[in-house]
Amino acid sequence: NAGVMQNPRHLVRRRGQEARLRCSPMKGHSHVYWYRQLPEEGLKFMVYLQKENIIDESGMPKERFSAEFPKEGPSILRIQQVVRGDSAAYFCASSPFRSGAGTGNQPQHFGDGTRLSIL
Amino acid sequence: AQTVTQSQPEMSVQEAETVTLSCTYDTSESDYYLFWYKQPPSRQMILVIRQEAYKQQNATENRFSVNFQKAAKSFSLKISDSQLGDAAMYFCAYRSAVQGAQKLVFGQGTRLTINP
Repeated sequence: NAGVMQNPRHLVRRRGQEARLRCSPMKGHSHVYWYRQLPEEGLKFMVYLQKENIIDESGMPKERFSAEFPKEGPSILRIQQVVRGDSAAYFCASSPFRSGAGTGNQPQHFGDGTRLSIL
Repeated sequence: AQTVTQSQPEMSVQEAETVTLSCTYDTSESDYYLFWYKQPPSRQMILVIRQEAYKQQNATENRFSVNFQKAAKSFSLKISDSQLGDAAMYFCAYRSAVQGAQKLVFGQGTRLTINP
């Protein structure tokens, strides 16, 4: 039973290029979350998606960042015109859909992250 | 907005001893969930233990247990019989129980070192 798969594991980009980070959720999971971790810091929420819908993007910078989770295929976090400050580890997590009370304790399962380095 | 604070940037413990990691949080909500995640050098985020705020009983998972004090908004993690494999960063996290508010709010982390 494969876990959350993120690729690439490491990504190097020059300033001004585009970075695309991919995340395939666990089988049966329809919720995807993206988090960013700067060195020596905790994870910071960026965006929460369900299939074809962005549910909460309150943690995403307004410019250069976008995310999608299409009906088919992985979720993509895209960073356009990258800058040095975008260097970080980007984690994806997924959880199953459950309706009704008590759904919030469904744990989020994390991928191994993508370490993005900007030259 | 909710916040999570881990006041101990680093902790160390002798192998086989017990260590407690502190976590406090701030929220105006009455129903929520709390988690401890472990991040070893491999950078994986591994769920260690979780607690529902409406449950008075403290959660326990083998050598890991929590001391949940709702009135004090405190959620500490106790690791008994520490093992070398417990060395990692530990993150406390909060999650609202409001439908649709699924994001995790993390603390800054505590780096735990196990001395052989």
